[in-house]
Amino acid sequence: EDKVVQSPLSLVVHEGDTVTLNCSYEVTNFRSLLWYKQEKKAPTFLFMLTSSGIEKKSGRLSSILDKKELSSILNITATQTGDSAIYLCAVHSGNTPLVFGKGTRLSVIA
Amino acid sequence: DGGITQSPKYLFRKEGQNVTLSCEQNLNHDAMYWYRQDPGQGLRLIYYSQIVNDFQKGDIAEGYSVSREKKESFPLTVTSAQKNPTAFYLCASRPQGAGQPQHFGDGTRLSIL
Repeated sequence: EDKVVQSPLSLVVHEGDTVTLNCSYEVTNFRSLLWYKQEKKAPTFLFMLTSSGIEKKSGRLSSILDKKELSSILNITATQTGDSAIYLCAVHSGNTPLVFGKGTRLSVIA
Repeated sequence: DGGITQSPKYLFRKEGQNVTLSCEQNLNHDAMYWYRQDPGQGLRLIYYSQIVNDFQKGDIAEGYSVSREKKESFPLTVTSAQKNPTAFYLCASRPQGAGQPQHFGDGTRLSIL
């Protein structure tokens, strides 16, 4: 059975801190790994990673995939209160729908 | 604007009642999905459909039913057989082909009266 595990499940940091969120997976026929940010309603797409070792970056957020270790990290530098959200990791394998982890709830306090 | 519209935003169900959640997309996406989200549980797949008039059960399909008569629409019915329906329900869609992320609607929050 395909499985995606995120850690930590929750995290509280102060504004300006750097955080690293982890995602590990066990799937057959891996195709891609996706990160989403969910505030109050719809998850919004952040990154899709397919190749190992290539960093994707958007402003203060970056992510990288390690296919050997079957894992990915999402980094957020100089955190702001607006970064408070649930961050979801999902993996696409074969022709099956995305498999989601339980998410990491990040709280950034001023 | 293209997007996914879920309605209603909030819904209350009485004991023994069936309720239907609407999901409409104008993105011309082939595949559509329904997820249930409970606190600390992430997203769990209820049903999905990759083409019109065809759908498959996800991990937690019991107590739910769907239809896909049109490409744009994928309604979810929460039946009285679903004993614990209180949750946040998210609809998503995705174009066919590798390398395409899913897009989500804003969700429907269902509660029991």
